[in-house]
Amino acid sequence: KQEVTQIPAALSVPEGENLVLNCSFTDSAIYNLQWFRQDPGKGLTSLLLIQSSQREQTSGRLNASLDKSSGRSTLYIAASQPGDSATYLCAGQTGANNLFFGTGTRLTVIP
Amino acid sequence: KAGVTQTPRYLIKTRGQQVTLSCSPISGHRSVSWYQQTPGQGLQFLFEYFSETQRNKGNFPGRFSGRQFSNSRSEMNVSTLELGDSALYLCASSLKSEQFFGPGTRLTVL
Repeated sequence: KQEVTQIPAALSVPEGENLVLNCSFTDSAIYNLQWFRQDPGKGLTSLLLIQSSQREQTSGRLNASLDKSSGRSTLYIAASQPGDSATYLCAGQTGANNLFFGTGTRLTVIP
Repeated sequence: KAGVTQTPRYLIKTRGQQVTLSCSPISGHRSVSWYQQTPGQGLQFLFEYFSETQRNKGNFPGRFSGRQFSNSRSEMNVSTLELGDSALYLCASSLKSEQFFGPGTRLTVL
């Protein structure tokens, strides 16, 4: 069974800081890797998708990388802003079109 | 392009009742997946439908079922509700690999 761990579980940083969120999988046979953010009580917003042939993706201040050999992914957020405060979830896909989610990292950016 | 929509947004039911939730995918998306989110278990996959056929199924009891219509809209049904079914139910649609989620239906079972 695929298990996904996200570290840290919670993170509080001052505005402007760069930060890294970590995600690891017990089964490194990941096909795609997707990062989401979730605001309290809301659905998930897709941030980045790393497909099977890729190793990283970038969108604005966000950069995500995937190392399949070690079963790890990182999400880098540059110059954090209060609007980045949310829970960040990574999810792996192992061929079938269903996602295995991590437990999330709750990020608070302090103005 | 409109996003994934889910109705209703909130539901309150009592134990033993049944409930039906609806999901309309992004236009052109043929795959619809359902997930349950609870504080204790996090996000768990329920099932996926593609072209009106269940293609994948998670580890949930038979009380949880679903279907997909020819226009790709999907419904999920939970029968004989239990207190532990209280959760945020999310559906996601996809064209290829990337999944796009709706706002969810918050189900409370009393």
